[in-house]
Amino acid sequence: KNEVEQSPQNLTAQEGEFITINCSYSVGISALHWLQQHPGGGIVSLFMLSSGKKKHGRLIATINIQEKHSSLHITASHPRDSAVYICAVRRSNYQLIWGAGTKLIIKP
Amino acid sequence: AAGVIQSPRHLIKEKRETATLKCYPIPRHDTVYWYQQGPGQDPQFLISFYEKMQSDKGSIPDRFSAQQFSDYHSELNMSSLELGDSALYFCASSGQMNYNEQFFGPGTRLTVL
Repeated sequence: KNEVEQSPQNLTAQEGEFITINCSYSVGISALHWLQQHPGGGIVSLFMLSSGKKKHGRLIATINIQEKHSSLHITASHPRDSAVYICAVRRSNYQLIWGAGTKLIIKP
Repeated sequence: AAGVIQSPRHLIKEKRETATLKCYPIPRHDTVYWYQQGPGQDPQFLISFYEKMQSDKGSIPDRFSAQQFSDYHSELNMSSLELGDSALYFCASSGQMNYNEQFFGPGTRLTVL
């Protein structure tokens, strides 16, 4: 079993829909990252969480340490949100363990 | 704000050749991480450096070596390239303000023919 599991693997939605991507992990972590990777390959760090909730624009990320679960939400989704969203957890040695990613396609 | 810089952005090499990838961290960041992402695969941690010393080692092949220099930039040297080395190589950096947060470079896409 992978240490970081994301769901769904693929998600297609219409513009304007509310999007939720989930991440579960099975190891002890010091922080959890949500990252965005566009088709060209570049990675952008969206959030780093160690507890609670963070919001940036239309993006919201939450984490429940006890349940070892995090969610990334996108409100009022837009075609430019189409990308692969990656959950990655940080162990105490600062290594990142990456989830397999969720490929999101937002149709106009 | 300055970001992590990687060069080159694209590199094409033949089998058995060597390649050197460079990473320039964000100013005042003293830690550099290297990741390899094969086609359709998750990124894999290769190696990290803190204050010019190797701090952690992941799935880096023996054919690869890396170092961090006095100006904190890092180079990943890859020898005897194989077709399977074709991948996107990411560098990330972090610093004293918050080592938990890594900032990623744009990546170097290496193609081995």
